[in-house]
Amino acid sequence: GNSVTQMEGPVTLSEEAFLTINCTYTATGYPSLFWYVQYPGEGLQLLLKATKADDKGSNKGFEATYRKETTSFHLEKGSVQVSDSAVYFCALSEGGSYIPTFGRGTSLIVHP
Amino acid sequence: ETGVTQSPTHLIKTRGQQVTLRCSSQSGHNTVSWYQQALGQGPQFIFQYYREEENGRGNFPPRFSGLQFPNYSSELNVNALELDDSALYLCASSLEASLRQETQYFGPGTRLLVL
Repeated sequence: GNSVTQMEGPVTLSEEAFLTINCTYTATGYPSLFWYVQYPGEGLQLLLKATKADDKGSNKGFEATYRKETTSFHLEKGSVQVSDSAVYFCALSEGGSYIPTFGRGTSLIVHP
Repeated sequence: ETGVTQSPTHLIKTRGQQVTLRCSSQSGHNTVSWYQQALGQGPQFIFQYYREEENGRGNFPPRFSGLQFPNYSSELNVNALELDDSALYLCASSLEASLRQETQYFGPGTRLLVL
């Protein structure tokens, strides 16, 4: 079956540091890949997505590239802010499926 | 444009009771999905409703049931509550059932505590 593995958190960084959150996946076909963000006390918000190999999703300074050869979709940001503190979820949806698979989430804490 | 709303925001029940959670989808969206998010975990798909019909179901027992209404709002019903049902329940709406291209918009969730 499908699965998503994320690096364990929390990830603790100082403001303006470089961020990488690793995500790898297992799927039988060619999934679409997503990163969602969940701020404290809120629901999930779609951060970015990529629907085919080598696509790069980007939003609000965050980027992730769909790497089929390494089955990865790592999230990066060049300079984090305190306001980026949240839980980040990697997810996949395969083919025409409406059933997404989420990772367990990675907590990011950014200090001033 | 109104986003996805859920009610109530918090709820406390006891084991064996029944609960109904409500979701209003984003304007124009005909598909609603429900998720259970246990503390420290990612969301788990419960089921999806598309144009008032159940369109798919995750690995949840039949005591989890739902409805979608003609205005595309939705309810999640859970019977015979168990302690492990304590979680954040998220509703998400989208324009169509397939997620390959479509973006889901999530509500803020209902936090259920079962004592």
